[in-house]
Amino acid sequence: DQQVKQNSPSLSVQEGRISILNCDYTNSMFDYFLWYKKYPAEGPTFLISISSIKDKNEDGRFTVFLNKSAKHLSLHIVPSQPGDSAVYFCAASREGAQKLVFGQGTRLTINP
Amino acid sequence: KAGVTQTPRYLIKTRGQQVTLSCSPISGHRSVSWYQQTPGQGLQFLFEYFSETQRNKGNFPGRFSGRQFSNSRSEMNVSTLELGDSALYLCASSFAGGGNEQFFGPGTRLTVL
Repeated sequence: DQQVKQNSPSLSVQEGRISILNCDYTNSMFDYFLWYKKYPAEGPTFLISISSIKDKNEDGRFTVFLNKSAKHLSLHIVPSQPGDSAVYFCAASREGAQKLVFGQGTRLTINP
Repeated sequence: KAGVTQTPRYLIKTRGQQVTLSCSPISGHRSVSWYQQTPGQGLQFLFEYFSETQRNKGNFPGRFSGRQFSNSRSEMNVSTLELGDSALYLCASSFAGGGNEQFFGPGTRLTVL
């Protein structure tokens, strides 16, 4: 069963605009969420995380929003830059369990 | 600090063989997790080691095993390789496990012929 879902396999955004990547989860026991960025032939790079006690976390151009009642999180990138073109994975875990459950990924393309 | 390193980066094996992959975590990190990435299944958790003990295990057959050494370096072994084992195997380390962020290595691309 797919406990973490990224329903958009791809997203295309113009440079300078906002990119919004979405993620849904089904397991209400998840209480820690992360976003990773991945380039081909490289391992995922950690971007930003959020604990379930918060509903927003910001780090520079990246902001993650968590809506626990809807079991939904999103990653906002503002402004989008060409170097942001990559595959983005959301991941979820339970406190104390070192096991990340990943979504299938969304390929983000930033167009000049 | 040096990042997570994995060796080898690429490996070609034939069905029935066995393979050992190695991972060196970030200095000071004691938790090492292994993941398999395939086009069909995405990124899936294999197992996690902390202080030389397996703490968590994913839903993979017993052909997949691992261990961790006292210096936190980890190895994973796959015996009796099958074509479906072809994948990118990723190692991730974190300071103490739990909800802490995991930092990934570049992976080992295994091809089984």
